[in-house]
Amino acid sequence: GAVVSQHPSWVICKSGTSVKIECRSLDFQATTMFWYRQFPKQSLMLMATSNEGSKATYEQGVEKDKFLINHASLTLSTLTVTSAHPEDSSFYICSARDLRGSSYNEQFFGPGTRLTVL
Amino acid sequence: GENVEQHPSTLSVQEGDSAVIKCTYSDSASNYFPWYKQELGKRPQLIIDIRSNVGEKKDQRIAVTLNKTAKHFSLHITETQPEDSAVYFCAALLLSNDYKLSFGAGTTVTVRA
Repeated sequence: GAVVSQHPSWVICKSGTSVKIECRSLDFQATTMFWYRQFPKQSLMLMATSNEGSKATYEQGVEKDKFLINHASLTLSTLTVTSAHPEDSSFYICSARDLRGSSYNEQFFGPGTRLTVL
Repeated sequence: GENVEQHPSTLSVQEGDSAVIKCTYSDSASNYFPWYKQELGKRPQLIIDIRSNVGEKKDQRIAVTLNKTAKHFSLHITETQPEDSAVYFCAALLLSNDYKLSFGAGTTVTVRA
């Protein structure tokens, strides 16, 4: 149980285009999902917290108009990188909390999406 | 917010030896401390976690210790094997901070055969 998927696993796009990344909880409902960005040889940096049915909460320094987050259902959150530029190239990872049972503190991570902007 | 520091940044050990990674956190209210193993290009995988009401937890070759007074926690891997080579991240979670995880900078562990 507690499986999180992401799609696509990798994407290459031209500068100026927008890219949408999906994060799904496959076997549980996730009222809260988190979006992270990880640059090579660096740690995971939280970008935003996505709450079902409400606006996302962005971390300091993350442009909400550039990284659009939608959490329309209890199993799906999307991150759209608008007008992507080469500096947005990174590994984007989502995670979700499963509020059931004793694992309520644990976050389950998706497999990540490698974004390359040319 | 929470600040997690992790040391060392790299660690090379001989197969069969032990590896120890240490982390400190700043917010005494943090109460959940997971450790993740991440292989290149893959998702972080939870390998062990500890809650603030416990001082030590062990799972086969992996153990974690927590010192709440000093605000530090450590990962211990015994009898290391080549497949233990990866990047390890510690993290701390503050319940009052919307369950956000704060990650350490990571430790690249290399197990020499």
